[in-house]
Amino acid sequence: DSGVTQTPKHLITATGQRVTLRCSPRSGDLSVYWYQQSLDQGLQFLIQYYNGEERAKGNILERFSAQQFPDLHSELNLSSLELGDSALYFCASSVGDRGPEKLFFGSGTQLSVL
Amino acid sequence: AQTVTQSQPEMSVQEAETVTLSCTYDTSESDYYLFWYKQPPSRQMILVIRQEAYKQQNATENRFSVNFQKAAKSFSLKISDSQLGDAAMYFCAYRRAGSQGNLIFGKGTKLSVKP
Repeated sequence: DSGVTQTPKHLITATGQRVTLRCSPRSGDLSVYWYQQSLDQGLQFLIQYYNGEERAKGNILERFSAQQFPDLHSELNLSSLELGDSALYFCASSVGDRGPEKLFFGSGTQLSVL
Repeated sequence: AQTVTQSQPEMSVQEAETVTLSCTYDTSESDYYLFWYKQPPSRQMILVIRQEAYKQQNATENRFSVNFQKAAKSFSLKISDSQLGDAAMYFCAYRRAGSQGNLIFGKGTKLSVKP
């Protein structure tokens, strides 16, 4: 158990809908990262928050947004869903925000868009 | 742009034997970090080992060790005394020093362990 909690584990929805994925980092970790894993794109970095502030942005679509709350949990919002958004979405956390730090990954949310 | 390449989509090893997974990367940076992550069927991403580019000594973690060749931009993972629990997807990853969060992953190598 990494200590990172993601909910829900599975999510099935329809095209055009909006969903919210939730992540609770390990106790004491200030950074939260979101990654998308799909068969065609592999593992892609989406966005990072550090202590409530956006710190880095990767290949995140404009239809997607995220935030980190004062209690450090984070939510990833996906809107106007398309079939191609079906993927495994990971959250990871670390104490700091850069370098060789060990990232602890949650077990992911499997999103299926039908 | 940095890229990470794992040329072996699948590998197989006999239990108790040794196997080496290959990884090459492309970067113009001199300071960076390299990682191997394991993803078992449970889907959890687990850090296996990491290497700082400025360190010449190869990292080791119990049965896992790396062969880091900076000039060749090669970072292979050796698993000794393979166990059934080692069966998983293995991902090589790169992170630029000072970089916030952006781990760049390879496509992965699926390792099977035969009893």
